[in-house]
This record gives sequence, structure tokens and C-alpha cells, in this order.
Amino acid sequence: AQSVTQLGSHVSVSEGALVLLRCNYSSSVPPYLFWYVQYPNQGLQLLLKYTTGATLVKGINGFEAEFKKSETSFHLTKPSAHMSDAAEYFCAVRSRDDKIIFGKGTRLHILP
Amino acid sequence: NAGVTQTPKFQVLKTGQSMTLQCAQDMNHEYMSWYRQDPGMGLRLIHYSVGAGITDQGEVPNGYNVSRSTTEDFPLRLLSAAPSQTSVYFCASSTPWRDEQYFGPGTRLTVT
Repeated sequence: AQSVTQLGSHVSVSEGALVLLRCNYSSSVPPYLFWYVQYPNQGLQLLLKYTTGATLVKGINGFEAEFKKSETSFHLTKPSAHMSDAAEYFCAVRSRDDKIIFGKGTRLHILP
Repeated sequence: NAGVTQTPKFQVLKTGQSMTLQCAQDMNHEYMSWYRQDPGMGLRLIHYSVGAGITDQGEVPNGYNVSRSTTEDFPLRLLSAAPSQTSVYFCASSTPWRDEQYFGPGTRLTVT
């Protein structure tokens, strides 16, 4: 069965530092992979997605992620953290039976 | 477009009561789904539907029923509420290729 593992339920970075949120997936078919962001008391918003083609995908707010098939990873990065990036981030995979499965989430804290 | 709408925003139930969480979308999406979000558990798929008249179970379907009589609406029914169903519930609809999900604002349910 498809699954998603996010390493670290909480990650803290200083403002201006690199953001790295880790996601590993398991999938028996070529996956569709997603990162969503959730700001406090809001629903989820798509940050970026990988479906086919270029393995480095760029999203909104300066985030990007790289699909690495050999490592079954889809880590999210941003070169320079901003206070407004504080939120919870979810990695997700579309399974072969059309379910979209989410990881447990990583809460990103930005230190001034 | 209103996107995905959910009602109510907040609800308190007593154990054993029943209720229906409403979800509607105006994007003509065939795929709709219900998730529950609990601290440390991420989003877990309850039920999903690939079109009117077709529903299927997700990861945590017990205690919940769904039906899909129209493309627009996908209500979630709790037949006999239990404290374990205290959660935030999100409805989502997806583009035809399942490459982006649109989430509603959520319903915060408390069962006492």
C-alpha cells in the first residue's frame, strides 16, 4: 500500500536560514507527489506537485521540491525562511487505487 | 466560484447523537473526499467518491457513512457520535487527474 513518512513532527529554523522538510514515500506505481501547507485555523493549500517530467518542481512562496526515485524522497526546501512560512506542511501521494494519502505533517517554526 | 464549502463550521454533539456534515463544490469535480485531522496524526482519509453514485472507503471509515447523489454534494453522516470522533473534518474535491485537491475550510466537531 502507498504511504508517506515525514521525518520530524516539528522543525525550527532561524529567519533567513535554509528550510528543509523531509518526505519519503512508498508506491508500487509512478507516484504523484504533493506538498500542502496549512496555516492556523485554515484548510490546506497546494504548495507544489510532481506528476511527470522535470524532477525539480517549483511552487508558491519560493518553495521547491525534488523527486528522487532512487531514494523514494520528495523533500521540500526554501533557501531563506521568512516568518510568514510558519505553518504545518503535509506531504501526500496519490495511490494506484486513486486515494490521496497524507503524511502526519511537520510543523515549521521560524525563530527571529 | 465559491470552491469547496462546508457547513457547519463548529458543532458540539452528545454521545449517541447523529448529524450530517455538509460539503459542496462548484467546480464540477468528479472526485471528492473526506478527511479527519487529529493532532500528530495528519489527515486520514475517511471516504471518497470518484463520481455520482460511487463511493469507497478510505483509511478510517468506521462510524461514518457517505452518499453521492449529485456531482456537487458529498455529505458525511455520523450515525451515533462517539467521543473518538472529536476532530476537525475536511472535505476536498480534486481535478480529473487527481493532481490537485481543493479543500474546504473545515468543520470542528466535539463529541461529549
